[in-house]
Amino acid sequence: GAVVSQHPSRVICKSGTSVKIECRSLDFQATTMFWYRQFPKQSLMLMATSNEGSKATYEQGVEKDKFLINHASLTLSTLTVTSAHPEDSSFYICSASKYDRGSYRLTEAFFGQGTRLTVV
Amino acid sequence: KNQVEQSPQSLIILEGKNCTLQCNYTVSPFSNLRWYKQDTGRGPVSLTIMTFSENTKSNGRYTATLDADTKQSSLHITASQLSDSASYICVVSVKANNLFFGTGTRLTVIP
Repeated sequence: GAVVSQHPSRVICKSGTSVKIECRSLDFQATTMFWYRQFPKQSLMLMATSNEGSKATYEQGVEKDKFLINHASLTLSTLTVTSAHPEDSSFYICSASKYDRGSYRLTEAFFGQGTRLTVV
Repeated sequence: KNQVEQSPQSLIILEGKNCTLQCNYTVSPFSNLRWYKQDTGRGPVSLTIMTFSENTKSNGRYTATLDADTKQSSLHITASQLSDSASYICVVSVKANNLFFGTGTRLTVIP
């Protein structure tokens, strides 16, 4: 399968600071990337969908000014948690898909390794 | 209401034994169903992806089945290994970019 690299895998930051998480598709061009949040023992919760070159679409309840998403190229999307607070501590995961012109569908989503964010 | 239900929530089995995980869904129109394995603190890794016309698909010791009429899928793990200990997540796609996640089954394989 395709490779999606997420960095960093772990980060600890002070309350009030901002943290940037990168998601890269290493061997394919990802037209669409997804950002998820996962609390312990719970399933993944979609935060936002980003298409290359356009603004991200945020799910209901997700603050777009707090979780800044940039998808400037077909291989890189970033999630910036601004003014982080302890309640933002969580596991953040990205996934990447590409558009198949033949079937008019997005291909299977490939997940990054995840980022454990701890805000102290 | 979660539209993808998995059972059991957790399962403990002895190394070498087989097990079957269940996934029932209500979402429609169905596009495909995927099983993922997620190790603790890691991102999910795809095991199988099944479309409407596929009944069975294998990936090594993992075999997934799909009954689109009853909207049920199962993941059978044969000759379990300690490294199989993980969460297994069933994901149903309505459109390719609209995914519904099950809550997962936590499998623990003990020696």
